Amino acid sequence: DVKVTQSSRYLVKRTGEKVFLECVQDMDHENMFWYRQDPGLGLRLIYFSYDVKMKEKGDIPEGYSVSREKKERFSLILESASTNQTSMYLCASSLGGRGGTGTEAFFGQGTRLTVV
Amino acid sequence: QKEVEQNSGPLSVPEGAIASLNCTYSDRGSQSFFWYRQYSGKSPELIMFIYSNGDKEDGRFTAQLNKASQYVSLLIRDSQPSDSATYLCAASFTGGGNKLTFGTGTQLKVEL
Repeated sequence: DVKVTQSSRYLVKRTGEKVFLECVQDMDHENMFWYRQDPGLGLRLIYFSYDVKMKEKGDIPEGYSVSREKKERFSLILESASTNQTSMYLCASSLGGRGGTGTEAFFGQGTRLTVV
Repeated sequence: QKEVEQNSGPLSVPEGAIASLNCTYSDRGSQSFFWYRQYSGKSPELIMFIYSNGDKEDGRFTAQLNKASQYVSLLIRDSQPSDSATYLCAASFTGGGNKLTFGTGTQLKVEL
């Protein structure tokens, strides 16, 4: 089974703090993703990576950065946390492919971040 | 902006009935389609994926894809109370680098 593990289940941070969310997958997947999920807005893509040291902006990258130094690990960084970044953060990975099998994504357990 | 649309529900069905969940998408270049189930407070769990026109069955679940009409559906037969959850439809788009775009989800309630 694919295992995607996020470092924290719950986090509480103060406004202005630099926040690191870590994600590790154990299936040698090429692609990794960070989404945030808010009521009524669904899952929105923040950043994704299709290879080590490669990253692309998603739909809502403002206020975030990412790092992928090793294939299995993808980190999301909130440079200066703000209250509007309070959300559920979900990491996912997929094998990779050109459509069809291999593009399905598997999710970690999520990190509920509260910025106060 | 490539979009995936779902009716937010809630959709209520009696136990043992067929639940029908629908999803439409805006981009004809969409390649693959996914259904995820998400229980309250949990992360999404993959149920099925489909990328060819027609039906794909897996146990009590059937995914249907109609690319000409740009819709995807999920049928759940013999619905159980444990099927009560939010169902997310997602699509990957040509040239999108395997990233998935999600609908906002349909809440399903299976009533005793």
